[in-house]
Amino acid sequence: KAGVTQTPRYLIKTRGQQVTLSCSPISGHRSVSWYQQTPGQGLQFLFEYFSETQRNKGNFPGRFSGRQFSNSRSEMNVSTLELGDSALYLCASSGYTGELFFGEGSRLTVL
Amino acid sequence: EDQVTQSPEALRLQEGESSSLNCSYTVSGLRGLFWYRQDPGKGPEFLFTLYSAGEEKEKERLKATLTKKESFLHITAPKPEDSATYLCAVQIETSGSRLTFGEGTQLTVNP
Repeated sequence: KAGVTQTPRYLIKTRGQQVTLSCSPISGHRSVSWYQQTPGQGLQFLFEYFSETQRNKGNFPGRFSGRQFSNSRSEMNVSTLELGDSALYLCASSGYTGELFFGEGSRLTVL
Repeated sequence: EDQVTQSPEALRLQEGESSSLNCSYTVSGLRGLFWYRQDPGKGPEFLFTLYSAGEEKEKERLKATLTKKESFLHITAPKPEDSATYLCAVQIETSGSRLTFGEGTQLTVNP
């Protein structure tokens, strides 16, 4: 059974640019969540999507947005990148058991 | 506000030297407490979910327990390959799949 797949794994952007990250959940999972991980703040919740609807949102500025498609795949977008957005962005999917399974993450570096 | 505190921040053990990691939490309406293992540069790997005080789960050299205020991850006779960061997270009843994470315990097992 394939796990959570995130693309791209690594990317470098400059301040002011925008970035889109993609996540394919485990087959059959309808909930997709996004987290930001940094050395100083640890793992912070960004948002959760379930059946194409945002079900929950963390305390991040509006520059961070996401969406989910009918096949449960999800994307997150960060606009007007800042140096502080450099982080590992993790996607997790969950099914009816409620257990979350994470992908390997997308490592974003903002220069 | 939901809070999760893990201790110690870092732990060094000799191979075969058993120990415990602590996760204390303050939440309203706990649905579940999760343990993950994370290797450098990778996404968190799911280990256990505990749902009620008194519950215990085991996997190889790991055993997780839960009380009304804290959880312990016991590591019996650890091996160098158990070296990783161990993360604890809570999920509350009113927040969908959202997890609130602790800062983690970085475990190093020396041969």
